Amino acid sequence: DSGVTQTPKHLITATGQRVTLRCSPRSGDLSVYWYQQSLDQGLQFLIQYYNGEERAKGNILERFSAQQFPDLHSELNLSSLELGDSALYFCASSRTAVWSPYNEQFFGPGTRLTVL
Amino acid sequence: AQKVTQAQTEISVVEKEDVTLDCVYETRDTTYYLFWYKQPPSGELVFLIRRNSFDEQNEISGRYSWNFQKSTSSFNFTITASQVVDSAVYFCALSITGANSKLTFGKGITLSVRP
Repeated sequence: DSGVTQTPKHLITATGQRVTLRCSPRSGDLSVYWYQQSLDQGLQFLIQYYNGEERAKGNILERFSAQQFPDLHSELNLSSLELGDSALYFCASSRTAVWSPYNEQFFGPGTRLTVL
Repeated sequence: AQKVTQAQTEISVVEKEDVTLDCVYETRDTTYYLFWYKQPPSGELVFLIRRNSFDEQNEISGRYSWNFQKSTSSFNFTITASQVVDSAVYFCALSITGANSKLTFGKGITLSVRP
């Protein structure tokens, strides 16, 4: 158990809908990362938050947005869903925003999103 | 930009065989970190090892060993005496120091170990 929790574990929805994925980082971790794992794109970095502020953006679609709340949990919002958004969405957390030898990323169990 | 290439997509071995998973990376940064993660059929990502760019010492942990060679930009992973429980997708990843520490992953290698 990495200490990172993600809810829900599975989500099935229809095209055009909007969903929210939730992530609670490990105790003491200030940085949260979102990754998407899809069959065609593999594992891709989406976005990073550090202590409530957006720190870096990767290949995140404009239909997707995220935020990190004062209690450090994070939510990834996916809207106008398309079939191609079906994927496993991982959240990871680390102590700080920048890399150091002791700033390992711990991954949650993922949320499997199926868009029908 | 960073890139990680795992040229092998699927490998199938018989139990007790040794297997090496290849990883080649690209980065212009001189300070970076390399990782291997395992994703079993249950789906979670399990951290296996981290290596920084200044430490080319090979590492052995039980049946697992890693060979890091900066000259060829490779960070290969060997499983000795493979077991059925080793069946999983293995990802190599790269992170550079800087404004953020996002991981750039390779496409993954699906390893199947047959009894």
